[in-house]
Amino acid sequence: AQSVTQPDIHITVSEGASLELRCNYSYGATPYLFWYVQSPGQGLQLLLKYFSGDTLVQGIKGFEAEFKRSQSSFNLRKPSVHWSDAAEYFCAVPHSGGYNKLIFGAGTRLAVHP
Amino acid sequence: SQTIHQWPATLVQPVGSPLSLECTVEGTSNPNLYWYRQAAGRGLQLLFYSVGIGQISSEVPQNLSASRPQDRQFILSSKKLLLSDSGFYLCACPGTSNYGYTFGSGTRLTVV
Repeated sequence: AQSVTQPDIHITVSEGASLELRCNYSYGATPYLFWYVQSPGQGLQLLLKYFSGDTLVQGIKGFEAEFKRSQSSFNLRKPSVHWSDAAEYFCAVPHSGGYNKLIFGAGTRLAVHP
Repeated sequence: SQTIHQWPATLVQPVGSPLSLECTVEGTSNPNLYWYRQAAGRGLQLLFYSVGIGQISSEVPQNLSASRPQDRQFILSSKKLLLSDSGFYLCACPGTSNYGYTFGSGTRLTVV
């Protein structure tokens, strides 16, 4: 069965520092992969997605993610974090049951120190 | 592009009371619709999805039910709330590219 693991529940970084959020997945084939961001009390916004092709994917707000098949990973990165990046981040893969259903990881809450 | 409206934004309800959360979609027709719940400190759990009017599929056994009386209306209900029903409820539909969900702004439900 498909699953998504985000090993880090909370991460704190200083503003201007680099960031990497980890995501590992279990999926029977080459998956579609997604990263979403949720600001406090809000819905989720799609940051980026991987469908095929180039394994380094660029997203909104200066984020990127790299698909590594050998490691079953799709880690999210940003070279320089801004205070406004403080939020919760979710990795997701499609559900095998179709109908565009998604399975989400437990999320990583990012805090940014000034 | 699609827009999802959810209301209310916050709700505090006593145990045993009924619940009705509404989600409406603009900018698309006959969308798949989804209800997710986000419990404190946990990820998003898919509760229900619908591929059309009157069609509801439940992903997990629970105290809640869903209905889709109109093409762009999705309702989450309960006859008697439990403490464990507390959480953040999100409605979603696929975006213009597959799986790029559009989410509503959510309803924070606290059962007391």
